[in-house]
Amino acid sequence: KAGVTQTPRYLIKTRGQQVTLSCSPISGHRSVSWYQQTPGQGLQFLFEYFSETQRNKGNFPGRFSGRQFSNSRSEMNVSTLELGDSALYLCASSSGTGGEKLFFGSGTQLSVL
Amino acid sequence: DQQVKQNSPSLSVQEGRISILNCDYTNSMFDYFLWYKKYPAEGPTFLISISSIKDKNEDGRFTVFLNKSAKHLSLHIVPSQPGDSAVYFCAAIIFSGGYNKLIFGAGTRLAVHP
Repeated sequence: KAGVTQTPRYLIKTRGQQVTLSCSPISGHRSVSWYQQTPGQGLQFLFEYFSETQRNKGNFPGRFSGRQFSNSRSEMNVSTLELGDSALYLCASSSGTGGEKLFFGSGTQLSVL
Repeated sequence: DQQVKQNSPSLSVQEGRISILNCDYTNSMFDYFLWYKKYPAEGPTFLISISSIKDKNEDGRFTVFLNKSAKHLSLHIVPSQPGDSAVYFCAAIIFSGGYNKLIFGAGTRLAVHP
């Protein structure tokens, strides 16, 4: 069974640009969650999608948005990038019914210059 | 407001000794706890978990202890090996709004040296 796939692995953008990250969950998983990891801040929850609907959202500004497609693949978009958005963005999938064990992708390392 | 706290950002242990990673939480409604391990350039992987109705769970070299009265859990690694060097995240689950919500701590970087 293939794991969680995130693309691209690395991204370099400049302030003010926008970026879209992609996540393909494990086959059969209907829940996709997004996390931001920065040094010292751990894993900060962005949002979770289940069956194409956002059902949970963290405390991030509206510049951070996402969506989920009918095949459970998910995209995350960040508009008007700021230097502080530089981080590792992780996607995790689960069945969505119990949800306690998440399976993470390797992440997208975003650098904003 | 951090509901799950890992107050030690780093820990250094000699190979063969015990590693103890600590985690405190503030919400008594948490009903499940997990530990994840993360190597550089990889996503976190599930390590071990414990239900709030238990006080200990063991899996090989890894044991998690839960002290509900103190709202504290710890991960013990015995014996520690160099391959255990990684960042360890404590996480808690709360059932809210009809589904489970996972909250992570800031992580502790463990270095196991020969």
